[in-house]
Amino acid sequence: DGGITQSPKYLFRKEGQNVTLSCEQNLNHDAMYWYRQDPGQGLRLIYYSQIVNDFQKGDIAEGYSVSREKKESFPLTVTSAQKNPTAFYLCASSIGIAGDYNEQFFGPGTRLTVL
Amino acid sequence: SQQGEEDPQALSIQEGENATMNCSYKTSINNLQWYRQNSGRGLVHLILIRSNEREKHSGRLRVTLDTSKKSSSLLITASRAADTASYFCATADSYNTDKLIFGTGTRLQVFP
Repeated sequence: DGGITQSPKYLFRKEGQNVTLSCEQNLNHDAMYWYRQDPGQGLRLIYYSQIVNDFQKGDIAEGYSVSREKKESFPLTVTSAQKNPTAFYLCASSIGIAGDYNEQFFGPGTRLTVL
Repeated sequence: SQQGEEDPQALSIQEGENATMNCSYKTSINNLQWYRQNSGRGLVHLILIRSNEREKHSGRLRVTLDTSKKSSSLLITASRAADTASYFCATADSYNTDKLIFGTGTRLQVFP
């Protein structure tokens, strides 16, 4: 059963702690993305990766870090430097980036709350 | 910000009515995509229209694209309560297709 999974579904963090959100896909997609969504808002791009061992900053990368050591996995770390981390985080993947291949498939999301 | 804008921000209709939502964007595009998001869930891809296409259909969905006005519309015909969701447009820039720019979304409520 192909798809993209995110864990955990809900995550609570104390101020000053780093947390890592998991994203795994078995679609054999080259490209993966992390977005942040605030209540009633659209999606803002945090980081994206076109290929293993390579990634680029999106529009709001400050306070976040990623790695892409395996094609299937693209974990996101929310660091203590992120001033307002409470949000809904969405991971997505696409076959590639060119033309019609950039249709994105999304995971179910992780809701992060900072206490 | 290059984020697109959807209009209206919110729309409430009765079952059986048609729902039309619009998207405006700012750059020259390679393609435009529409996504649906149920509350608290991930997004689901609905339809992709290329820059050289003017209209596309998929089931009860009809999408139009006017590149001269930098705008697109999504029409859902004979709406159902299950269509209640937020709808987002996303554009792939002509010169930089490695990421999508998402709009702010239209929240659609369909009453039984």
